[in-house]
Amino acid sequence: GAGVSQSPSNKVTEKGKDVELRCDPISGHTALYWYRQSLGQGLEFLIYFQGNSAPDKSGLPSDRFSAERTGGSVSTLTIQRTQQEDSAVYLCASSLEEGPNQPQHFGDGTRLSIL
Amino acid sequence: GQQVMQIPQYQHVQEGEDFTTYCNSSTTLSNIQWYKQRPGGHPVFLIQLVKSGEVKKQKRLTFQFGEAKKNSSLHITATQTTDVGTYFCACTGNQFYFGTGTSLTVIP
Repeated sequence: GAGVSQSPSNKVTEKGKDVELRCDPISGHTALYWYRQSLGQGLEFLIYFQGNSAPDKSGLPSDRFSAERTGGSVSTLTIQRTQQEDSAVYLCASSLEEGPNQPQHFGDGTRLSIL
Repeated sequence: GQQVMQIPQYQHVQEGEDFTTYCNSSTTLSNIQWYKQRPGGHPVFLIQLVKSGEVKKQKRLTFQFGEAKKNSSLHITATQTTDVGTYFCACTGNQFYFGTGTSLTVIP
């Protein structure tokens, strides 16, 4: 497709369950970013990939969070043993290259609700 | 770590009034980007500033980058209801930081 695609668009799950969020970046974009946005709040940076490599994972909130990217394309963000405070919109973005001068193109996000 | 603060957090204006949001960093920035997020939508890239003292215009929007490259502003002239949304500045250090955002409400 033409834009960044994220799935599912909505996810409701029970506390303690694992969830997997998917991001399909714009074709040809080498850099991919994950953010979290709580209701009415700003964007919290989680992790970025240059190709399949994640140079800095320090933005991940806890060791329950992990992310991977394969084939330089699709990325998955996994949250294990979900907690209620994990409820948020998880946004993915991609850019043509990694670096400070690259505009980021965002997907519509996955709205995650933990019951 | 790097922090980017925006003021005000919220702004309500009458349609036709001007609006300005300010972005301030504790450290010198290599560049700054501005994004707009409509209610229920995702952030959309507006513009990037790189040079000290740079000024760029997009129709009714004027973007400025401070001389010291530690602050930036976005000014909207004669707001319209289509300007409603949250405006974020963003910068890069070791990670990609978004400002806290300014939520703009335009009253018809």
